[in-house]
Amino acid sequence: EVQLVESGGGLVQPGRSLRLSCAASGFTFDDHAMHWVRQAPGKGLEWVSGISWNSGKIDYTDSVKGRFTISRDNAKKSLYLQMDSLKTEDTALYYCAKDPLPGLFGNWFDPWGQGTLVIVSS
Amino acid sequence: EIVLTQSPAILSLSPGERATLSCRASQSVSSYLAWYQQKPGRAPRLLIHDTSNRATGIPVRFSGSGSGTDFTLTISSLEPEDFAVYYCQQHSSWPRTFGQGTKLEIK
Repeated sequence: EVQLVESGGGLVQPGRSLRLSCAASGFTFDDHAMHWVRQAPGKGLEWVSGISWNSGKIDYTDSVKGRFTISRDNAKKSLYLQMDSLKTEDTALYYCAKDPLPGLFGNWFDPWGQGTLVIVSS
Repeated sequence: EIVLTQSPAILSLSPGERATLSCRASQSVSSYLAWYQQKPGRAPRLLIHDTSNRATGIPVRFSGSGSGTDFTLTISSLEPEDFAVYYCQQHSSWPRTFGQGTKLEIK
């Protein structure tokens, strides 16, 4: 069974940093691209960033470019999101999600982890 | 950026009825459209990908159709567990974008 478990969320002041992690199991992690998708409280879904299986392709939504950095460690079967210069509008539940087709980048997302909550507030 | 507009925002129906949810794209996404179901406190679950392909384990009462800019998710006969929020998502161009959601509520 595929499992994605996020961690690293918490309460942080504006301008500070936070690093999210996603531990993967149940599939060949280094065959698949991975993504971060967020959901602000009571709001809809927003794709944040994605990384290909070999880190050769990386992309971000415009609102986080220059502030967030996605990375992965295939040996550890882990995905990361380094979030710097956090803003109050970054407050959200951050989901880790798997790109379903081996070797490809940026299709639909399946499955999703349960999310880790990031609250940016002074 | 492709904007996806879902309608209606809220759909009130009874169990056993047919539900029709719409997703309209601001420009063509070909057939590169997915649908997700999200229940309160839970992560989204993939229902449909590439317009009409049901994900593993998804009941046959869920079906998708459309192409280009207009898409539909149909639930043929609502079960109590189907009342949730539904999102569409395009994977035609970057950034990947979602619709704002349709809340399917019990009438």
